Amino acid sequence: AAGVIQSPRHLIKEKRETATLKCYPIPRHDTVYWYQQGPGQDPQFLISFYEKMQSDKGSIPDRFSAQQFSDYHSELNMSSLELGDSALYFCASSPGRGYEQYFGPGTRLTVT
Amino acid sequence: KQEVTQIPAALSVPEGENLVLNCSFTDSAIYNLQWFRQDPGKGLTSLLLIQSSQREQTSGRLNASLDKSSGRSTLYIAASQPGDSATYLCAVRGNNAGNMLTFGGGTRLMVKP
Repeated sequence: AAGVIQSPRHLIKEKRETATLKCYPIPRHDTVYWYQQGPGQDPQFLISFYEKMQSDKGSIPDRFSAQQFSDYHSELNMSSLELGDSALYFCASSPGRGYEQYFGPGTRLTVT
Repeated sequence: KQEVTQIPAALSVPEGENLVLNCSFTDSAIYNLQWFRQDPGKGLTSLLLIQSSQREQTSGRLNASLDKSSGRSTLYIAASQPGDSATYLCAVRGNNAGNMLTFGGGTRLMVKP
């Protein structure tokens, strides 16, 4: 069965650079979620989209922005990167709000 | 604000044992609860989803129960195997929390051959 696809899987950036993470949800899933998992920490919710509109907002820094496109894929844009942004970034999708969330393999971002 | 706690933080058992992982949450007004498995440095694999109206869900050797009124869920793993070694996370979606999941800190399980 098709799963959530995230790209790239690994990304190394320097401080103050920008990064763009991409997420392709499971076909026919219209809801996308972004989570950040720091080293040794549990995942923290960043932001979600339903039918291409922002649905909920969590602890997403103002330096980050995200959107969902017409084909339902989503991109997380991160600017002015800081060392503390180094983490695993997960995307999840579900067939509507409130349904089971299926997680992608994550993008490991390292900021040096 | 919803807080999710998992006990124990780490567990080591010999192969073949039955074991129970605990998850507690502070706000009982939940929509559903999910149990995940995470291997080191890897993604999250959904194991079981329990809706707030359900008491338990079963999948193979896994059984998850939910007691919403007391703010507790347990994940029961029968006949544990070395391949079960991973971190197990529970996550709660609250009624008033939109679509976000609030995760517990996880239980790191090691099953020894």
